[in-house]
Amino acid sequence: GNSVTQMEGPVTLSEEAFLTINCTYTATGYPSLFWYVQYPGEGLQLLLKATKADDKGSNKGFEATYRKETTSFHLEKGSVQVSDSAVYFCALKDFQKLVFGTGTRLLVSP
Amino acid sequence: GAGVSQSPRYKVAKRGQDVALRCDPISGHVSLFWYQQALGQGPEFLTYFQNEAQLDKSGLPSDRFFAERPEGSVSTLKIQRTQQEDSAVYLCASSFGDMRVTGELFFGEGSRLTVL
Repeated sequence: GNSVTQMEGPVTLSEEAFLTINCTYTATGYPSLFWYVQYPGEGLQLLLKATKADDKGSNKGFEATYRKETTSFHLEKGSVQVSDSAVYFCALKDFQKLVFGTGTRLLVSP
Repeated sequence: GAGVSQSPRYKVAKRGQDVALRCDPISGHVSLFWYQQALGQGPEFLTYFQNEAQLDKSGLPSDRFFAERPEGSVSTLKIQRTQQEDSAVYLCASSFGDMRVTGELFFGEGSRLTVL
């Protein structure tokens, strides 16, 4: 079946460091891909998405590019802030539902 | 309300008890989903409603799990004869339209169930 694999966390960075969280997928065809974020004490919320190959999703300084050659959708940010500390989930759309990865915790220290 | 509301936020049950978890989706949202999130894991799909119709229940782990949405708005997830392995956070999410088109889900904060 369709699945998503994320790098294990936690990822620990200092403020203003460069962030990459790896995500690869296994799927039939080319599903839409998503990054969701869960801040402490809050529900998951959509961060960005890409619906077809070579699309780049971006939001709040985060970016991810849909790479069908490597079946990847890595999340990047050039300069992280303490407020970016959260759990990040990569997901793909499988018909009506989303299939999520296991999540990667990001900890950013001042 | 402005967002997806779930209750109770925390529930402790003794093994063998029945529990009911409630979800109030965003007003007007057609699609409603239940997910189960074990500690340190990602959300796992349980079931999906479009209005009052339950279109997919393939993720329900056993016949002890039952979900309903009788009037196409509020939904209840019921777990009968709870077991320790049912301990998890149960997430409800809603979407304005058909997920095949929109792809974005709005999540509640979840109901954390602990079975002793």
